[in-house]
Amino acid sequence: DAGITQSPRHKVTETGTPVTLRCHQTENHRYMYWYRQDPGHGLRLIHYSYGVKDTDKGEVSDGYSVSRSKTEDFLLTLESATSSQTSVYFCAISGRGNNEQFFGPGTRLTVL
Amino acid sequence: GENVEQHPSTLSVQEGDSAVIKCTYSDSASNYFPWYKQELGKRPQLIIDIRSNVGEKKDQRIAVTLNKTAKHFSLHITETQPEDSAVYFCAALYYVTGNQFYFGTGTSLTVIP
Repeated sequence: DAGITQSPRHKVTETGTPVTLRCHQTENHRYMYWYRQDPGHGLRLIHYSYGVKDTDKGEVSDGYSVSRSKTEDFLLTLESATSSQTSVYFCAISGRGNNEQFFGPGTRLTVL
Repeated sequence: GENVEQHPSTLSVQEGDSAVIKCTYSDSASNYFPWYKQELGKRPQLIIDIRSNVGEKKDQRIAVTLNKTAKHFSLHITETQPEDSAVYFCAALYYVTGNQFYFGTGTSLTVIP
């Protein structure tokens, strides 16, 4: 599946704790994305990266930060998790010149 | 930014019938429109896409049409089979500082045997 992995795959945490999700690719794609998926909302873009150290906000970026220090890794951090951030988080990659986007397996995050 | 609307939210068809899902987008600068299929508990998978310089694209039983003037695009599935049952998402690619994808809210398709 396009050489993209996410860790952890499942996480339960408590309100107020920091959480970091990792996305790793072996495809050398330029773009990496973080989405959240919630019932009735489809997939919503949190942040994306268009190169090492180059990131930008998506439509639901409040409460999240990202970092990309290497082409293959894109980290999503919830500085202080809230119950509204309970969701399934998908990483995606793109950028082989044809705009095709491929998704990772997802991380199910529950904030109690 | 871009806004993508998708209809219907649920769709049930008899096996062998056709299914059509429609999406509209708001910004004429969007130039790439993929469709994804997501089975329960799985990741979205790209099934077909279309670029703004093309009006129609087919791949076996699935096809996508694009009307740039009206800013809408549609997914057509013919001869539906039970394994087509899934949630389908449309998306539009919009360029800001980089490529951003905006997704519709999804259509849950059920194919009744």
